Amino acid sequence: SQELEQSPQSLIVQEGKNLTINCTSSKTLYGLYWYKQKYGEGLIFLMMLQKGGEEKSHEKITAKLDEKKQQSSLHITASQPSHAGIYLCGADMGDNYGQNFVFGPGTRLSVLP
Amino acid sequence: NAGVTQTPKFQVLKTGQSMTLQCAQDMNHEYMSWYRQDPGMGLRLIHYSVGAGITDQGEVPNGYNVSRSTTEDFPLRLLSAAPSQTSVYFCASSYSYGSSYEQYFGPGTRLTVT
Repeated sequence: SQELEQSPQSLIVQEGKNLTINCTSSKTLYGLYWYKQKYGEGLIFLMMLQKGGEEKSHEKITAKLDEKKQQSSLHITASQPSHAGIYLCGADMGDNYGQNFVFGPGTRLSVLP
Repeated sequence: NAGVTQTPKFQVLKTGQSMTLQCAQDMNHEYMSWYRQDPGMGLRLIHYSVGAGITDQGEVPNGYNVSRSTTEDFPLRLLSAAPSQTSVYFCASSYSYGSSYEQYFGPGTRLTVT
């Protein structure tokens, strides 16, 4: 079973629309990371959240971590074709030193011009 | 800085063959790791290293070996390739382990085992 769930699995939006991707865990997260992966390429770091209630923004992307540190959302405002790709959340589950960093299955985003 | 580099970019193996996937980083990072990415599964940790001479198993270590003789290099060896090892493999590194450190990823190696 997946320790991190993501929804939706895939998303197709028209350019200019806003969208939200969610990442959920049944356990408290010790650090939550968002990465973007362009098709066929490696992962690019977007943001890291550590504190409950924390919110960070970079350009048109905002990520939040809830107070209980079990759910994070990634919101894109006025989407553009350059936002297309796979968004993955990753988290430090805090159990075992070095080996408890897990990823969600990813959300595939397509932005139609 | 080149960051994290991986070679080869693509590889096709026959069942039973062995090979080594290379990974190198030039950022003097302590922590390095190998993941495999399969459709619908996200990334799964194969092996990791918290420093030269120290390696340990991740979630899916069977069929793979690693060693870390230098800070820079962290090769992944497939001992006897199986079709179930068809995947995209990513190497990553970070300054240290812990929730304060982002991981930098290589471009990946796409492996097909026939």
